[in-house]
Amino acid sequence: KQEVTQIPAALSVPEGENLVLNCSFTDSAIYNLQWFRQDPGKGLTSLLLIQSSQREQTSGRLNASLDKSSGRSTLYIAASQPGDSATYLCAVSHVNTGTASKLTFGTGTRLQVTL
Amino acid sequence: NAGVMQNPRHLVRRRGQEARLRCSPMKGHSHVYWYRQLPEEGLKFMVYLQKENIIDESGMPKERFSAEFPKEGPSILRIQQVVRGDSAAYFCASSSNLGNTIYFGEGSWLTVV
Repeated sequence: KQEVTQIPAALSVPEGENLVLNCSFTDSAIYNLQWFRQDPGKGLTSLLLIQSSQREQTSGRLNASLDKSSGRSTLYIAASQPGDSATYLCAVSHVNTGTASKLTFGTGTRLQVTL
Repeated sequence: NAGVMQNPRHLVRRRGQEARLRCSPMKGHSHVYWYRQLPEEGLKFMVYLQKENIIDESGMPKERFSAEFPKEGPSILRIQQVVRGDSAAYFCASSSNLGNTIYFGEGSWLTVV
């Protein structure tokens, strides 16, 4: 059974800092990995999608890496801003379930960027 | 192109009543997924549907819960005889094909009193 763990559970940083969020998963037979952002009382916004054959993806100030063999992914946020404050969720999909979009989520990292 | 639309956004039901949550996928998407987020827990997969077919319902509770995605109209998640433990945020997502990015709706928050 796939388990996804995110560390730390919560993080507070001053504006402008670079930061790294960690995600680990127990079963390396994944189809892809996604990072999402969730604001309080809102839905999820997909930030980055990494296919299992890829090592990293970049979008603006965000960079996500994937090391499938070790079961780890990191989300790097450069020059953090107060608007980045949200919960960040990591989710993996499975090769063998017949659907690549049945996701297993971590419990998230709650990020607060202070002025 | 409107995103995934869910309604109602907030729903209050008394114990024993029925809750119906609706989801209209993004235009052109034929794959719909329902996830549940219990308080202080991560999102859990419930069910995956394509038009008129349930593909994977391995995350659905065995009783009181059902889902459909008819040929015409939105996908419906139905919860009969609700209990307090059903209070959660229910998220619908859609994709155009397997393996593509899935897009989530804003969620429906169910409160059972």
